[in-house]
Amino acid sequence: NAGVTQTPKFQVLKTGQSMTLQCAQDMNHEYMSWYRQDPGMGLRLIHYSVGAGITDQGEVPNGYNVSRSTTEDFPLRLLSAAPSQTSVYFCASSFLGLVGGDTDTQYFGPGTRLTVL
Amino acid sequence: RKEVEQDPGPFNVPEGATVAFNCTYSNSASQSFFWYRQDCRKEPKLLMSVYSSGNEDGRFTAQLNRASQYISLLIRDSKLSDSATYLCVVRIYNQGGKLIFGQGTELSVKP
Repeated sequence: NAGVTQTPKFQVLKTGQSMTLQCAQDMNHEYMSWYRQDPGMGLRLIHYSVGAGITDQGEVPNGYNVSRSTTEDFPLRLLSAAPSQTSVYFCASSFLGLVGGDTDTQYFGPGTRLTVL
Repeated sequence: RKEVEQDPGPFNVPEGATVAFNCTYSNSASQSFFWYRQDCRKEPKLLMSVYSSGNEDGRFTAQLNRASQYISLLIRDSKLSDSATYLCVVRIYNQGGKLIFGQGTELSVKP
């Protein structure tokens, strides 16, 4: 298994540009999510999905769109990049099975480091 | 108030010390609890799940107190390789199973 993959690893954008961060998993996980991490802020949830065709907002959804057309893929779209979106973005996935069981473990991708000038 | 709050760091300890991290959560519907470790802004990795009865994995012990909405992580006999940021995470199943992270507590173990 490749686990959770993210592309690109690094990206520099100019203000106003749009782009899509890709995330894919090959573990047949129902749950997928996007986080951003800023210094001193921990990981903050942007959007999440509990299955194909189902998405919901997290703590900081403004400026981002998501869709989940397949179980495997969960792309994150920046519609019009702003300097405030400079951050490290992590995608993660897990099963939505047994509460407290081993299937609850969330697996992370390696992250995308985005700079908006 | 943040949904998940951790001790502010950093913690600087000598090798061999015992160190404890504390975490509180505000949502009583939180169902699953975890400690993750993150090195140098790499992706977080699961350290251990936290079960109601408490659990131990080598030098690491996790405790859960649902009544007080409190989670702890104890590291005994600290090693240099334990230096990292430790993240407390709760999963809220009645909100679509979303996970909420604490801000993290940085640990630095010195020789």
